[in-house]
Amino acid sequence: DIQMTQSPTSLSASVGDRVTITCRASQTIGSFLNWYQQKPGIAPRLLIYAASSLLSGVPSRFSGSGSGTDFTLTISGLQPEDSATYFCQQSYNHPATFGRGTKVDI
Amino acid sequence: QLVESGGGVVQPGRSLKLSCAASGFTFSDYGIHWVRQAPGKGLEWMAHISYDGSKENYADSVKGRFTISRDTSRNTLFLQMTSLRTEDTAVYYCVRAVGFRDLTLDYWGQGTLVIVSS
Repeated sequence: DIQMTQSPTSLSASVGDRVTITCRASQTIGSFLNWYQQKPGIAPRLLIYAASSLLSGVPSRFSGSGSGTDFTLTISGLQPEDSATYFCQQSYNHPATFGRGTKVDI
Repeated sequence: QLVESGGGVVQPGRSLKLSCAASGFTFSDYGIHWVRQAPGKGLEWMAHISYDGSKENYADSVKGRFTISRDTSRNTLFLQMTSLRTEDTAVYYCVRAVGFRDLTLDYWGQGTLVIVSS
């Protein structure tokens, strides 16, 4: 199985900050990398697919980049509603595997 | 929309069947996954069934104990869970699959909580 290593585990930032979360795959996965946002008590929500494609309706302050084994999720201009846990997931091969998550506190 | 049901408290070793009712899209066009999340933990993929039910995949941790199935006539997905263990305690989400190898999870249900405890 492909292992996904996400860092940091948690971070604290202020409104307006630029925040970067990284995700590393244990083998090359091309651009088959998705990012999800989960708020407490609510199901995860797909934010970014194929490493850098924003789902319709996702604010443009979210962006994703990377290919191969190293990926980043960037939030430019952090907003209070961005307080959540973010998970990466490889979509290259079964089984789908997730990073352990990054909790963003504001 | 995906709406899970069937969760609850069950003793170790017993069985439970979860359901997931789909609406708002053509159910028979999409593969579906079950993903679980233990309390305070991350996301763990459990099982996947193809759009036509011809292919199933399972996590090693549940292979032989859990069975995924679908009833297209009822737009419903199922997860039959047997020989339940305390470590199966989690919120179980059904999730629509899209993209390459059905591995992008674009719409999630609200989840149903399964507690395995004596």
